[in-house]
Amino acid sequence: KNEVEQSPQNLTAQEGEFITINCSYSVGISALHWLQQHPGGGIVSLFMLSSGKKKHGRLIATINIQEKHSSLHITASHPRDSAVYICAVPINYQLIWGAGTKLIIKP
Amino acid sequence: KAGVTQTPRYLIKTRGQQVTLSCSPISGHRSVSWYQQTPGQGLQFLFEYFSETQRNKGNFPGRFSGRQFSNSRSEMNVSTLELGDSALYLCASSFGGGETGELFFGEGSRLTVL
Repeated sequence: KNEVEQSPQNLTAQEGEFITINCSYSVGISALHWLQQHPGGGIVSLFMLSSGKKKHGRLIATINIQEKHSSLHITASHPRDSAVYICAVPINYQLIWGAGTKLIIKP
Repeated sequence: KAGVTQTPRYLIKTRGQQVTLSCSPISGHRSVSWYQQTPGQGLQFLFEYFSETQRNKGNFPGRFSGRQFSNSRSEMNVSTLELGDSALYLCASSFGGGETGELFFGEGSRLTVL
């Protein structure tokens, strides 16, 4: 069993829809990262969470430490949100990566 | 504030050659970590350096090595290249490591081994 599980693996939605990506982990952590990777490879950090909820523009990330679960939400989704979204947990100075969620937003 | 700079961005090598990749972190950041991304294996951890000390190393053969200089710039070297080393190599910069701070990634070095 992977230490970090993401779902869904693929998600296609219409512009404007509310998007939720889930991440579950099996190890004790001090923080969790949500990252975005566009075609071409560059990775951008979206959030680093250790508790509660964070919001940046149309993106919202939550984490429940007791349940070992985090979610990334996108409100009013737009085609430019199409990317791979990855959750990752830092353990012993390395990131343990989820498999990623490929999101496609259709106009 | 300048971002994380990786060089070269693209390179093509042949089997048996060696390659050196460079990562210049954001000014003030002391942690640099390296990752290999391939379509089949996803993102895999190579190593992490903090103030010139390697704090962790991933499960890669000894052909993969790295170092960090006093100015926090880091290099990784792959010797005796194999076809399977073809990948995107990403580095991430942070102040103290992913446990304590946000990570900033370079654009990556895309290595093709022929």
